[in-house]
Amino acid sequence: EVQLVESGGGLVQPGRSLKLSCAASGFTFSNYGMHWIRQAPTKGLEWVASISPSGGSTYYRDSVKGRFTISRDNAKSTLYLQMDSLRSEDTATYYCATPGFAYWGQGTLVTVSS
Amino acid sequence: DVVLTQTPPTLSATIGQSVSISCRSSQSLLDSDGDTYLNWLLQRPGQSPQLLIYSVSNLESGVPNRFSGSGSETDFTLKISGVEAEDLGVYYCMQATHAPLTFGGGTKLELK
Repeated sequence: EVQLVESGGGLVQPGRSLKLSCAASGFTFSNYGMHWIRQAPTKGLEWVASISPSGGSTYYRDSVKGRFTISRDNAKSTLYLQMDSLRSEDTATYYCATPGFAYWGQGTLVTVSS
Repeated sequence: DVVLTQTPPTLSATIGQSVSISCRSSQSLLDSDGDTYLNWLLQRPGQSPQLLIYSVSNLESGVPNRFSGSGSETDFTLKISGVEAEDLGVYYCMQATHAPLTFGGGTKLELK
């Protein structure tokens, strides 16, 4: 059974950093690209970043370029999102998802506030 | 970026009623490989999104066949043939033909 479990969310002040993790199981993680998607409170879904199976290619939405870094450790079957210089508008539940969006994690809430 | 416009934003239905949701794209979603990467997702209250339909009309494994998708190029429709209580929530279309991935604004399905 495919499982994606996010962790690392919490309350953080503007300008600070946070690193999210997504532990994957039930499939050969190293064969698949992965996505981070976020959802601000009471709002819709927004793609954040994607990474290729090897980690050699990464893609970001414009508003997080230069602040967020997506990475992966295929030996640990874990996806990461390093978030620096956080802003209030980054407040959201962050989901990891597999290609095709057939599988999503339960999400981890990031709140950026002073 | 591709803009996906969903209508209606809110839909009220009775159990057993058939309903449709529209998703219109600002650009054709037909990819150069011949596929059209338009998916439909359902997010039930308090839950993560769930894939219902992929590539316009393909039913995801385990999804009831009362859900169906149709359309082409820029106009797409999700139909529910006989709403059940478990179908309540917010429906999103999303496209993966053009970078960046984008989502529609959502359609909330409520009980009348």
